[in-house]
Amino acid sequence: GAVVSQHPSRVICKSGTSVKIECRSLDFQATTMFWYRQFPKQSLMLMATSNEGSKATYEQGVEKDKFLINHASLTLSTLTVTSAHPEDSSFYICSARAGQGQPQHFGDGTRLSIL
Amino acid sequence: GENVEQHPSTLSVQEGDSAVIKCTYSDSASNYFPWYKQELGKGPQLIIDIRSNVGEKKDQRIAVTLNKTAKHFSLHITETQPEDSAVYFCAASKANDYKLSFGAGTTVTVRA
Repeated sequence: GAVVSQHPSRVICKSGTSVKIECRSLDFQATTMFWYRQFPKQSLMLMATSNEGSKATYEQGVEKDKFLINHASLTLSTLTVTSAHPEDSSFYICSARAGQGQPQHFGDGTRLSIL
Repeated sequence: GENVEQHPSTLSVQEGDSAVIKCTYSDSASNYFPWYKQELGKGPQLIIDIRSNVGEKKDQRIAVTLNKTAKHFSLHITETQPEDSAVYFCAASKANDYKLSFGAGTTVTVRA
């Protein structure tokens, strides 16, 4: 149980392209989903938190117009990297939890490479 | 905010030996402490967690201990196997706060 699916697993695209990443909870309803960024050999950095049906809460230093987050249903959240540039290249990981006090379960991440 | 420190950053053990990873946290209000295992190119996988009302929890070869007074918790892996090789992260959070504060990670290598 507690499976989180993330798609796509890898994206390579040109600078200026917008990229959408999907995060789905497959066997539970996720009241809250989280988006992280991870640089090589480093820990996870929380970018934003989204609750179903409401606006995402962004961490300090994360541009909300650059990283658009939508949490339209209890099983799906999307992260759109708008007008991506090489510095946006990274490993993006989502997680989801069923409710307060429940553990976070992570997807397998999306490797984004901007040329 | 919460600050979680994790040691060591790398750990190499012989197959069959035990591995221990230690974390300390700064916020005495933290009461939930999960451990994640991350394999190369994948997302973190929850392997065990502990809440502050418990001092120790065990699941087969994995155990976690918590010392609330000293504000530290540890992961113990016994009878290590090559498939235990991965990066392990500790984390901490408070009951009324959804955010996880992660340690820097420990790269564990199990030598066959």
